[in-house]
Amino acid sequence: KNEVEQSPQNLTAQEGEFITINCSYSVGISALHWLQQHPGGGIVSLFMLSSGKKKHGRLIATINIQEKHSSLHITASHPRDSAVYICAAPSGGGADGLTFGKGTHLIIQP
Amino acid sequence: DAGVIQSPRHEVTEMGQEVTLRCKPISGHNSLFWYRQTMMRGLELLIYFNNNVPIDDSGMPEDRFSAKMPNASFSTLKIQPSEPRDSAVYFCASRGANYGYTFGSGTRLTVV
Repeated sequence: KNEVEQSPQNLTAQEGEFITINCSYSVGISALHWLQQHPGGGIVSLFMLSSGKKKHGRLIATINIQEKHSSLHITASHPRDSAVYICAAPSGGGADGLTFGKGTHLIIQP
Repeated sequence: DAGVIQSPRHEVTEMGQEVTLRCKPISGHNSLFWYRQTMMRGLELLIYFNNNVPIDDSGMPEDRFSAKMPNASFSTLKIQPSEPRDSAVYFCASRGANYGYTFGSGTRLTVV
């Protein structure tokens, strides 16, 4: 079964800073997911990517399949980006569904 | 599409009571997943369905938990009897043919 590790666990930054969150997984996958969860809120899917890079607004996600590693970047960070960012990969080992990282608690200070 | 709809949003119940959580997946999505989120363990898969058929319920913690999907547009997760350690946020998610997931807003369950 896949194991998903995220870093850092907590991140506090100033508005405008460039943010990077890292994710590694143990079993080869077809696609990796980045999710966002605001405090007390639901889970929103940001990206599903299987290779290369995807961009949506100020968010960029990259993946290196060979190295089993993905990164989520936020450019020109803003206080509204404050949330928990979760990396998720297919569970593998014959199991369907996703295995989740523990999440990165991001706080952007004005 | 209104997305994945879960109800209720919040549920407070007394220990020993029966609790039923409900989920309406996105129309056309063939797979439905129930996840539980706690501070200690993060997000964990409880059970999932493909084409309304339960495929893997190995994540269901005990016999007190049961889930059904009587048709493609409705699923329930039932806890009977409920215990304080069941307090968590329960998410339903559906998955389409492109393997993209859509999550509901979750049900925050508190068992006192």
